[in-house]
Amino acid sequence: QKEVEQDPGPLSVPEGAIVSLNCTYSNSAFQYFMWYRQYSRKGPELLMYTYSSGNKEDGRFTAQVDKSSKYISLFIRDSQPSDSATYLCAMKQYGGSQGNLIFGKGTKLSVKP
Amino acid sequence: GAGVSQSPSNKVTEKGKDVELRCDPISGHTALYWYRQRLGQGLEFLIYFQGNSAPDKSGLPSDRFSAERTGESVSTLTIQRTQQEDSAVYLCASSTQGAGEKLFFGSGTQLSVL
Repeated sequence: QKEVEQDPGPLSVPEGAIVSLNCTYSNSAFQYFMWYRQYSRKGPELLMYTYSSGNKEDGRFTAQVDKSSKYISLFIRDSQPSDSATYLCAMKQYGGSQGNLIFGKGTKLSVKP
Repeated sequence: GAGVSQSPSNKVTEKGKDVELRCDPISGHTALYWYRQRLGQGLEFLIYFQGNSAPDKSGLPSDRFSAERTGESVSTLTIQRTQQEDSAVYLCASSTQGAGEKLFFGSGTQLSVL
C-alpha cells in the first residue's frame, strides 16, 4: 500500500459545480496536510495548509482532514475554468525530515465553461 | 528575482551524457529542495539543503545523481551517464527555515533522454 493514494482522474465538471478532491493515507504519524495546485508546465503552488484535524476555509476552497479515517479532502465551490489544473495532496510528519513531504500523484481537474 | 528560477526549462540529451540543472531560490530562503516528477506520477523527493547543514540525500535514486549548493544560493543537480528512465521534470523548491510544508516551486526543467 502506498503511503498516499490519490485518484488521478481526470475529473471534468461544468462551471459552477462543487468539486471534491480526496486523498487517503496510511501513515498515522502525518500531522501536516497540504494541497498544491499545478498548472500545465508550471511548478506546484501551495493552495491550502492544515495542521492536524479539522476544516480550513479560504474563499471558494475548503480543506478537511479526518485523521481517524486517514482521509483528506479539498472542496472547490462555484468552480471556474481557471481552476482547471492538477491538484496534489501532500503530507508530512511532525519532526520528520524537513525535506520529506510525501505527495499524491495528483488529480487532473477540468472545469468546462 | 521574485520566485524560484530554474534553467534550462527544457533539456534534450543523449543516453550516456551528463547534464546539469540549475536552481536559483527565492532570496532569503535557507532551505532548498529537488524533486522529480515523472509523467503521471507524484513528486519524488531527491535531496534537501538547509543552510550550512549536511544535505539530506536520502531520495537520490543512484550514485549517478548528485547536487551541490553553495551557502544559501544557487544549487546544481547533476545527472551523470543519463538513462532513458531519467526523463522527467525536475523541480526545485525553496522555503524559509522550519517551514518545510510551505514550499515555493520553480517551473521545472523538462529533461528528455533519447
